[in-house]
Amino acid sequence: SYVLTQPPSVSVAPGKTARITCGGNNIGSKSVHWYQQKPGQAPVLVIYYDSDRPSGIPERFSGSKSGDTATLTISRVEAGDEADYYCQNYESSSDHPVFGGGTKLSVL
Amino acid sequence: EVQLVESGGGLVQPGGSLRLSCVASGFTFSSFWMDWVRQAPGKGLEWVANIKQDGNEKYYLHSVKDRFTISRDNAKNSVYLEMSSLRVEDTAVYYCARSIFSVVEGDIIFDYWGQGSLVTVSS
Repeated sequence: SYVLTQPPSVSVAPGKTARITCGGNNIGSKSVHWYQQKPGQAPVLVIYYDSDRPSGIPERFSGSKSGDTATLTISRVEAGDEADYYCQNYESSSDHPVFGGGTKLSVL
Repeated sequence: EVQLVESGGGLVQPGGSLRLSCVASGFTFSSFWMDWVRQAPGKGLEWVANIKQDGNEKYYLHSVKDRFTISRDNAKNSVYLEMSSLRVEDTAVYYCARSIFSVVEGDIIFDYWGQGSLVTVSS
């Protein structure tokens, strides 16, 4: 079955840039979406269609894709960005959405 | 403001049944696909099922097919998940989510989520 692979954890100092990757076979041909989930809260969409940002999401959040890897970049990281981040796309062969395993972002 | 409010979770024995409800407000409910996504304790997100605007198309995760049934009532702005033959591994927080889904293009975005309802399957 189709798998999206994320690093379990990423650590970054406040004010620096965090990059969270998401790898998958042929991901270049599929749109990738990203969600932020803070402890005890529901997920929130932060990036859709690889690089678009919903209204209300800070410009510090951006998305990109190269080859078989999508990347969520958070610039000028703040303590409030500490959360789990999930990538997601759609597996056409089985007709269902797929989530990556999630990456815990820690702000040092 | 878009709001999704789940209810119906609780403790159930293996093999038992439970019905989750999700009431939506702040948008035209009948214009959107609706989904259920679950999260086992300490684990990641897993899509469970979704239903088309008119209720005539439904898709399920393979492991819940034939045990779970998704339905909706557009007059009540509500979507439901009927769960039967529950297993310990179904224990999770179940989120109701609004989605933008294109079967033809093979793409889906979950743009709003409820706060979730905890289902615990245990003897």
